[in-house]
Parts: sequence; C-alpha cells; structure tokens
Amino acid sequence: GQQVMQIPQYQHVQEGEDFTTYCNSSTTLSNIQWYKQRPGGHPVFLIQLVKSGEVKKQKRLTFQFGEAKKNSSLHITATQTTDVGTYFCAGKASGTYKYIFGTGTRLKVLA
Amino acid sequence: NAGVTQTPKFQVLKTGQSMTLQCAQDMNHNSMYWYRQDPGMGLRLIYYSASEGTTDKGEVPNGYNVSRLNKREFSLRLESAAPSQTSVYFCASNLQGEQYFGPGTRLTVT
Repeated sequence: GQQVMQIPQYQHVQEGEDFTTYCNSSTTLSNIQWYKQRPGGHPVFLIQLVKSGEVKKQKRLTFQFGEAKKNSSLHITATQTTDVGTYFCAGKASGTYKYIFGTGTRLKVLA
Repeated sequence: NAGVTQTPKFQVLKTGQSMTLQCAQDMNHNSMYWYRQDPGMGLRLIYYSASEGTTDKGEVPNGYNVSRLNKREFSLRLESAAPSQTSVYFCASNLQGEQYFGPGTRLTVT
C-alpha cells in the first residue's frame, strides 16, 4: 500500500537558523498537504500543492512539490520560537479520498 | 461556527468495554475522517466517509466500526476495547482538500 516517509524525525535548531523537512511517497500523488501540530494540539492545515514542480510561499515558509509528484519539502527561513511543533505531510493518490500522513518532523527551536 | 467538535475529550476504558466516539461538523463538508495518533507518531487513517451514506476502510480499520449518521455526524465505535487501542483519536472534515481537525479524544484502555 501507499507509504509516506518523512525525514528527519527530529530537528533542533538555534533561533534564526533555517529548517527543512522532506517527504517521500512510495506512489505518485495527485496532491500533497502540509500540517503543523503544536504539542498537545491538533493538526492545522498549512497548504496544499497540486501541480508538478509547484512552489508556494507563506511568509518564511516555502513548500515544494517534486516534478515526479512523489516528494515534497517544507523549508522555514530564520526560525522563530513560534515555529515549534511537528510538521506532517499528507499525500493523496488519484481516485481516492484517502490521505496518508507522513511520520512527521518534530522541530525544536532554541532561543 | 464551532468547526469540528469531538466528545468526549478524555476516556478511560477497561479491556473488553465498548464505547462510541462522537464527531460533528457544522461546515457542510461532504467528507469526514477518523485518525488515530500514537505517541510520537503520525496520524493513521482508520475509516473515512466520502459523503453521507458511504464509509470506507483506511489503513488500520480492525477493531473499529463507523457510522455516518447524517452529513454532520460521523461516529467511531470500539466494540471490545483492547490496550493496543490506547491512542489519541482525531476526527476531521474536508473541503476541497483542506482537512479541519477536531480537538481529539484521548483514550486509555487498561
């Protein structure tokens, strides 16, 4: 079945450093989403990517969807303490309503 | 708008007991989902409902049943709880891809 892996599992950065998490799917995706979950909270939608090679930016966050639509990345520039949390990708294959979540990357930002 | 609501927030069950987790959304979304999240792990899809009247299995459906009672409500039932079902359960609804999650139910089975 479809699998979605994320690396790294954990990342500790100093405030102001950049951060990147990578997501890889075993199958081609129709779209990929990114979510952020704060400790003790629920996942909150960040963005959805649909097109091959798509790049979207939200302030300090940059999201990319690979050309083959099997991988994606989230890059945060100049991290802040408010960026702390776990970042998940979720991929959907064509012809299904199912989203398969990646294992997540837990980000800690040291002030 | 309350968004997605879940009840209860916390529950402790003994092995073999049954219970139903309730989920409701007031956003008129067609699709709804149940996920479980184990400590330090991602979310795994239990069941989903693409529209009122339909339900389908996700990645980990064993030990669970669901009911899409109407467009608003999607419940998850554990018929005979097992310690392996200790987890945080999230319900979500979906509009054009974006999933809106409820606050979760923290379930412990002893």
